[in-house]
Order: sequence, then structure tokens, then C-alpha cells
Amino acid sequence: GAGVSQSPSNKVTEKGKDVELRCDPISGHTALYWYRQSLGQGLEFLIYFQGNSAPDKSGLPSDRFSAERTGGSVSTLTIQRTQQEDSAVYLCASSGSLGAGNIQYFGAGTRLSVL
Amino acid sequence: AQTVTQSQPEMSVQEAETVTLSCTYDTSESNYYLFWYKQPPSRQMILVIRQEAYKQQNATENRFSVNFQKAAKSFSLKISDSQLGDTAMYFCAFMILQGKIIFGKGTRLHILP
Repeated sequence: GAGVSQSPSNKVTEKGKDVELRCDPISGHTALYWYRQSLGQGLEFLIYFQGNSAPDKSGLPSDRFSAERTGGSVSTLTIQRTQQEDSAVYLCASSGSLGAGNIQYFGAGTRLSVL
Repeated sequence: AQTVTQSQPEMSVQEAETVTLSCTYDTSESNYYLFWYKQPPSRQMILVIRQEAYKQQNATENRFSVNFQKAAKSFSLKISDSQLGDTAMYFCAFMILQGKIIFGKGTRLHILP
């Protein structure tokens, strides 16, 4: 697509429910990244993919968080048993490759509100 | 640990004025990339400017320029002839490892008519 697409744009859920956030990167981009932006904070790096592989999962906040990417394209970030502290904007970005310095293009994010 | 510090949480300037946003960072690496991203109310992060640490020449993009002081680990952004559309959050960031960008907490910039 023309840009990075994320869905839904907003998600309200109850504490304890599972949620899935979707990211559709720019066509042809092999690298994909997930960040979390809590209220009034900068962006916190969560995980990146090169193709379908995620070499470093250490940025995920807890084992309730998982991410996958299939077909080298769409990625899903899943949060199980959501907690109120999970409320944030989740941003996805993609780049043409994984090399340092490659420009990351961001989507508009998913605002997650856990009640 | 690598960190990015933006000491100005919020700033306001009049339209057409020049404004400088400060950023300092801490790393023991010698080669890295520095970025300024803009986040308008639409939430989408937009790259404003990029600087490669091994290049001494400061990057410029139209009205946007940086003052990169490697020894001081400083990377400030200057916006000349500011416009109402420049109103946004501005994040300073750097990248060392492949793909992982470390962001500061941002400076909220208001351009006043």
C-alpha cells in the first residue's frame, strides 16, 4: 500500500480481555517494527521483524505480549489478559530493510484503552 | 544504557520566528544515526531530518536544520520561518542497532498566529 496501515485506529476493551492489533506495512518493506507510546511519554521499542523472523523479543513488556508476522507482510500484536497499564498508542513502522539508518515509516497507530 | 533527553517539554513561538529544540543523548558507540520526528495530532510520526554520526556536516531540509555536536552528544533542531503547520510534538531519536530506535520524551511545539 501507499503507507503503513494500522487497524483498528481505536480499541476499547475490558480488563482481562485479549486484543489483536494489526499492521500492514508498505508494500515491499521487509522490516517491521512495533512501538508503544504511553500518555506523555516517548516511544518505547517493543519488537522488530526481518521477514517473518523476530530475532529480539526482549522489548516486549511481559509474556502477555506476543507478535507474529506472516508472509513477510502483515503483522499482529496480541495482548492477552489486558491490564489498565497496557493503555497506550501502539505504533507500527516499516522500512525497506533492517540496516541501521534506514528510514522507518510509521502508521497512525492504534489507541488502546483498557477499562 | 543509551538514552535521549529533551529538556524542553513544551515551547511556544510566534509564526515566522525561528525556534531551536534541544536534544542530548548518551551512548558509547561511535557510529549511529540521529533523527528528528514530528508527530502532529493525527498521531502519525513523520521524519523531519536525519543525521549520520560519521558525517561532520550538519543536515538540512528546507526550513529545518540541525546543530550536531558529536563530542558534546548534542543534536538540536532549528526551525526557521516557523509556520502554523509546524505545531506538533517533536521527538529526537537515535539508532545504533539494526532497527531499534531510542526516542526522547518529546517537545510539544506551539506556533502562535
